[in-house]
Amino acid sequence: QQPVQSPQAVILREGEDAVINCSSSKALYSVHWYRQKHGEAPVFLMILLKGGEQKGHEKISASFNEKKQQSSLYLTASQLSYSGTYFCGTEAAGAGNMLTFGGGTRLMVKP
Amino acid sequence: EPEVTQTPSHQVTQMGQEVILRCVPISNHLYFYWYRQILGQKVEFLVSFYNNEISEKSEIFDDQFSVERPDGSNFTLKIRSTKLEDSAMYFCASRQDYGYTFGSGTRLTVV
Repeated sequence: QQPVQSPQAVILREGEDAVINCSSSKALYSVHWYRQKHGEAPVFLMILLKGGEQKGHEKISASFNEKKQQSSLYLTASQLSYSGTYFCGTEAAGAGNMLTFGGGTRLMVKP
Repeated sequence: EPEVTQTPSHQVTQMGQEVILRCVPISNHLYFYWYRQILGQKVEFLVSFYNNEISEKSEIFDDQFSVERPDGSNFTLKIRSTKLEDSAMYFCASRQDYGYTFGSGTRLTVV
């Protein structure tokens, strides 16, 4: 079962902040965040592991609530380059070596 | 920065024909994956490969699909008899510990 992302779409002015949420009905081992621009491959942003470890780009921040199986990606002081579709991918505990992606959140940053 | 390389970037094939999509993962990565993305939709897991064998596969990955690592560098996805609904962007990915690195994809068009 795929994780649920919200909102489905966001329009921001440059400099504004946004939060993208991802929730799963399964117990998770990790949550991954990717950004995909039109016609390109998804680009790794961050991984959040059960137990609190995080790895990713310095300018990206995210949280992982293990009890609720929810993650949020925080985009602050948005830039035009932040535009794209953001996907969360989840690895369920004990479910093997695969990512299940959410439906994506389209972010458009306008000048 | 190391890259995952995919060839060809675009392939058009007739329904019923066999296609082989090729990938060169990052050399010291141990886990390899194929994902696909139908236009405008989410990224879907197909198969994961570790230690020269399939470790997980999805319902999409039926008998028409197969993967191989014929030598130390290439990782291939074969579709034996293509259907119209196989038209999609196919992404290869590899990982060592944490985030997945995706290739730039092969756009497969079945006509």
